[in-house]
Amino acid sequence: DAKTTQPPSMDCAEGRAANLPCNHSTISGNEYVYWYRQIHSQGPQYIIHGLKNNETNEMASLIITEDRKSSTLILPHATLRDTAVYYCILTTDSWGKLQFGAGTQVVVTP
Amino acid sequence: GAVVSQHPSRVICKSGTSVKIECRSLDFQATTMFWYRQFPKQSLMLMATSNEGSKATYEQGVEKDKFLINHASLTLSTLTVTSAHPEDSSFYICSAGRTSGQETQYFGPGTRLLVL
Repeated sequence: DAKTTQPPSMDCAEGRAANLPCNHSTISGNEYVYWYRQIHSQGPQYIIHGLKNNETNEMASLIITEDRKSSTLILPHATLRDTAVYYCILTTDSWGKLQFGAGTQVVVTP
Repeated sequence: GAVVSQHPSRVICKSGTSVKIECRSLDFQATTMFWYRQFPKQSLMLMATSNEGSKATYEQGVEKDKFLINHASLTLSTLTVTSAHPEDSSFYICSAGRTSGQETQYFGPGTRLLVL
């Protein structure tokens, strides 16, 4: 699976939208973009995934560029509980093994 | 949503002893489970793939005789750290996916192992 590049950290004010970028310039046509997050000392939590189209669920929105070389995870109204490491992962098989990169440490401040 | 549990949540053991960690899918069946290890301030590293009814597949550099994996049923996989050493102290996390109709995996809460 191709690799992703994410900023190591970012801060966000409580109540504001958090926009988390992810670059995946070598993504293959059959690779999905998955986002997970890991709150300190817990297991990762699934957030959202997409292939080509933008996606939205109760947690977040995922915007994928037309060329699919990058994507943005949007947390519409960040809360203190959204403080976590966010991982952008590419995979052709959602049930297959996942390769975690360093992720982005998001800190939401009051 | 689907739930994956791990037991114990944390364990302290003496060097040289063996420790067993359980991973259970509580409301779905999983033919495949994965075991990850995470050291402080690092990302998750995949250790092995646990397949129900067959031998586990280990990632490069992971000693299969040290980290014994058993996946005896569709809801339970166990990881046994044999002859534990202080450098085995880590956060161990499992994940599981449904056998059908699900597009993602679910992770357990993790097990903190401290080897003295």
